[in-house]
Amino acid sequence: AQSVSQHNHHVILSEAASLELGCNYSYGGTVNLFWYVQYPGQHLQLLLKYFSGDPLVKGIKGFEAEFIKSKFSFNLRKPSVQWSDTAEYFCAVNRGRTGRRALTFGSGTRLQVQP
Amino acid sequence: ETGVTQTPRHLVMGMTNKKSLKCEQHLGHNAMYWYKQSAKKPLELMFVYNFKEQTENNSVPSRFSPECPNSSHLFLHLHTLQPEDSALYLCASSQDGERESGELFFGEGSRLTVL
Repeated sequence: AQSVSQHNHHVILSEAASLELGCNYSYGGTVNLFWYVQYPGQHLQLLLKYFSGDPLVKGIKGFEAEFIKSKFSFNLRKPSVQWSDTAEYFCAVNRGRTGRRALTFGSGTRLQVQP
Repeated sequence: ETGVTQTPRHLVMGMTNKKSLKCEQHLGHNAMYWYKQSAKKPLELMFVYNFKEQTENNSVPSRFSPECPNSSHLFLHLHTLQPEDSALYLCASSQDGERESGELFFGEGSRLTVL
């Protein structure tokens, strides 16, 4: 069964600091990869996704992620965080084109940005 | 506005009660999902429906009973729940197909408390 690991459970940063959140998955075949964000009191929403093509994916609000197939990783980055980025971030994976399509999620990383 | 509407937003029930959670999607998608979100745990997939047919039951106890009367509506019927079932129950939808990424669109969730 596929699994997703997010090693950072709670990250505290000051505004303008750079961010990198780790995500590793276990499935060896073709995958689609996602990062979702959940702001306090709000629904889960998509930040970005890798479906095919360029492994460097740009999303909303200045976030980007890089798919490194050899490392089974899809780390999320932002060069300069803002207080409004305080939220919980979830990495997710499904099997591409064939196989189990439902998303498998990591346990999430809580990001706290201090002004 | 997410395109996926869940009711009720909050529900408190006793262990002997019977209640239902409702989900409606306005996105024209062909797949719907129930996930359970508990504190400090990954989102747990419960059920998947494609074109109204249940395609996945992730070893969910029988006290949770899903119903999908059409592609736009999904219910989760609850009976004789346990306090450990208290959680946020998330409904999601997606457009499933070979050329689709499987991106999920989430509702805001139903916060369930079992006394």
